[in-house]
Amino acid sequence: GENVEQHPSTLSVQEGDSAVIKCTYSDSASNYFPWYKQELGKRPQLIIDIRSNVGEKKDQRIAVTLNKTAKHFSLHITETQPEDSAVYFCAASSRAAGNKLTFGGGTRVLVKP
Amino acid sequence: SAVISQKPSRDICQRGTSLTIQCQVDSQVTMMFWYRQQPGQSLTLIATANQGSEATYESGFVIDKFPISRPNLTFSTLTVSNMSPEDSSIYLCSVEDPRERLDTQYFGPGTRLTVL
Repeated sequence: GENVEQHPSTLSVQEGDSAVIKCTYSDSASNYFPWYKQELGKRPQLIIDIRSNVGEKKDQRIAVTLNKTAKHFSLHITETQPEDSAVYFCAASSRAAGNKLTFGGGTRVLVKP
Repeated sequence: SAVISQKPSRDICQRGTSLTIQCQVDSQVTMMFWYRQQPGQSLTLIATANQGSEATYESGFVIDKFPISRPNLTFSTLTVSNMSPEDSSIYLCSVEDPRERLDTQYFGPGTRLTVL
């Protein structure tokens, strides 16, 4: 089955700096890669996703890149703000596997004012 | 996107008992899933809830421990049976909304379970 590795497990940045989280996946059939943000005590919230026919996608301060050959994808947050502090999860799924999401281990991001 | 609710939001239970968690969606959805999130950990898929048929369980999860029902396209239940302290987790349902791209999943608010 699919295996998703996520790094780093914790990330501390100064407000205004950029944050980058990296994930690798094992199943070449995976074709959908969402990113979720989970604040303390809240549900995971979809913040951006990318599909295997696209190499990069951007939405305001967040962007995701995908390298299918290397089987890795990354989340980039620019101009970080204190409200970006949360746990971020990457995930992967494939139509062949019934769109089941396999999650990475999560990255705890702390933005220091 | 679909509005998803779960009941109860939290519960404290005694070992050996069972708890049924409900997931209600405000519109018909194609796929419903159940995940477990142990304290401080990531999310792990328990099973896919299939409408009108038995759920499909992931490795390490069995129907006797986590029976699931999905009687229609807007509702599902997960039961945690014969609970032990190791079952203390957040249980989340997720759905694919057919009004959006089929592989996009949204999560319910979760049920925080503590087993004493």
